Amino acid sequence: TQLLEQSPQFLSIQEGENLTVYCNSSSVFSSLQWYRQEPGEGPVLLVTVVTGGEVKKLKRLTFQFGDARKDSSLHITAAQPGDTGLYLCAGGGYQKVTFGTGTKLQVIP
Amino acid sequence: DARVTQTPRHKVTEMGQEVTMRCQPILGHNTVFWYRQTMMQGLELLAYFRNRAPLDDSGMPKDRFSAEMPDATLATLKIQPSEPRDSAVYFCASGLVELAHRPWGRSGELFFGEGSRLTVL
Repeated sequence: TQLLEQSPQFLSIQEGENLTVYCNSSSVFSSLQWYRQEPGEGPVLLVTVVTGGEVKKLKRLTFQFGDARKDSSLHITAAQPGDTGLYLCAGGGYQKVTFGTGTKLQVIP
Repeated sequence: DARVTQTPRHKVTEMGQEVTMRCQPILGHNTVFWYRQTMMQGLELLAYFRNRAPLDDSGMPKDRFSAEMPDATLATLKIQPSEPRDSAVYFCASGLVELAHRPWGRSGELFFGEGSRLTVL
């Protein structure tokens, strides 16, 4: 089983601050995805990264896939209360998709 | 607006009772996953199907859990008998895997339902 460890587990910051969430594994992934989940709902895809070293930007969110395709990071610039939620990385490619341990983010107005 | 539909949204039952959760995947998707989410364990993969065939159910307790896809529009997850430790939110997700090139479809996106919150007393 390919395990995905996320850090930090919890993060509470003030509006306007920057933050980075990490997703690490000892396994190589053909692709990694980041999802955000809000209370009472299922996870929703934010981005998929497929190439080692790839950087993708989604407004204030920057996603990076490690060169060795074993890790990924999510950086949020100038966090807003709407960014509050559970952030999950996921990998597995063709066979099955497993999720990371999750990072619960709270952005305080 | 295509979406994954799960029923029931909430279920409270007593230990020993049978529980059946249903999922209608997005039309045209060929892969269906069942996940269980708890505070302690996060999102755990229970089983998944491709073209209605079970590919992996190693995440499920075999003695009490069963997952099926009687047709392309319905996936079921059954627990019999249920136990308090089964209390969790159960998610169904569907996606489209194109077998030709990429390891995971065009976008690799999984579409999740809103989940079934199960409480076993």
